[in-house]
Amino acid sequence: GQNIDQPTEMTATEGAIVQINCTYQTSGFNGLFWYQQHAGEAPTFLSYNVLDGLEEKGRFSSFLSRSKGYSYLLLKELQMKDSASYLCAVTDSNYQLIWGAGTKLIIKP
Amino acid sequence: GAVVSQHPSWVICKSGTSVKIECRSLDFQATTMFWYRQFPKQSLMLMATSNEGSKATYEQGVEKDKFLINHASLTLSTLTVTSAHPEDSSFYICSARISGRLPEYNEQFFGPGTRLTVL
Repeated sequence: GQNIDQPTEMTATEGAIVQINCTYQTSGFNGLFWYQQHAGEAPTFLSYNVLDGLEEKGRFSSFLSRSKGYSYLLLKELQMKDSASYLCAVTDSNYQLIWGAGTKLIIKP
Repeated sequence: GAVVSQHPSWVICKSGTSVKIECRSLDFQATTMFWYRQFPKQSLMLMATSNEGSKATYEQGVEKDKFLINHASLTLSTLTVTSAHPEDSSFYICSARISGRLPEYNEQFFGPGTRLTVL
């Protein structure tokens, strides 16, 4: 079956750095997305990785290792507004988007 | 660019009535749209994939006669919850893919969601 694993919840301090991991087992791989979702709102796109390596975009970076079926989202200089759920999603061989359950990130002052 | 709207943003209805939710891509064409349901503190659950001009593809366990989907144009898909019951109360979110993009680039643009409460 297809499976995407993320930690359920993480806590970090304002101004610090946090890494949210995602491991996947899917039938094929055609790219991995990270989305941010604030409570009661729809998800918003953060990043896309299809090749191995690190993609940096401001305070957010995303890493992919296809051989390990692993990705992480790195958030730097955490702000209170970064408190949200972070969703990992993988496009499989049928071009279907498989969603992880999301990681709820709590930022403390 | 790539804005998706949903209407209504929230709706309260009586049990047994039907509710229609609209999803529109405002500045792009979307051959494919998706309908999700999200219960509190849970992740997105894909209900169905809506393709313009053809029948929707429903995920396992989703009743197609209860959740009617119509994708009549490249910018509009509708979800009708028929004979709604309290257990259908949820956050319904649509998303759309830009037509012509490579299929492996599966970025979806999400609408703001519709909160349905069935009394």
